[in-house]
Amino acid sequence: NAGVTQTPKFRILKIGQSMTLQCTQDMNHNYMYWYRQDPGMGLKLIYYSVGAGITDKGEVPNGYNVSRSTTEDFPLRLELAAPSQTSVYFCASSLSGEGTEAFFGQGTRLTVV
Amino acid sequence: GQNIDQPTEMTATEGAIVQINCTYQTSGFNGLFWYQQHAGEAPTFLSYNVLDGLEEKGRFSSFLSRSKGYSYLLLKELQMKDSASYLCAVVDSNYQLIWGAGTKLIIKP
Repeated sequence: NAGVTQTPKFRILKIGQSMTLQCTQDMNHNYMYWYRQDPGMGLKLIYYSVGAGITDKGEVPNGYNVSRSTTEDFPLRLELAAPSQTSVYFCASSLSGEGTEAFFGQGTRLTVV
Repeated sequence: GQNIDQPTEMTATEGAIVQINCTYQTSGFNGLFWYQQHAGEAPTFLSYNVLDGLEEKGRFSSFLSRSKGYSYLLLKELQMKDSASYLCAVVDSNYQLIWGAGTKLIIKP
């Protein structure tokens, strides 16, 4: 059972470039999340989805976009990368909302230069 | 505002016991999670408390006092592999997770 799979693991972007972080889960979870983790800070929610076709903003959505065309996939799009987006990004899923155990992908370490 | 406080770093000795505290001030409360995160890896679930009291799971136990806005994670018989960050997260009244910055636990032989 693969769980939550994120790609890529590492990426360096130049300012102004765009990229998509991929996330797939095979647990048939309805809820999926994108977080960023900065040194010395707690996880910050970027976007989340409660099911296919439904997405909503989290605490820090600016500069990002998401889509949820299937239950399994929840890609995160960065448009016009900025140095402030240098961070570690985690995708996660849970069966039924943030009051239930979340399963995390292995993370993407993104550097914008 | 909403706030989760945890010590930044703690050091303990292999074989000993350590208690990691978490205090919170949130808009409502619908449960508290503890996650473990090894350096460079994803967080993994340790425990969930929604009622007051102690939940024991092997070498790890988690305690909650809702009236005091306080929880702790107790790790017994420490092993070197327990060196990691421990994240406290509270589910608020809107069922949003509020995360603490984590406590880095260093285990010395």
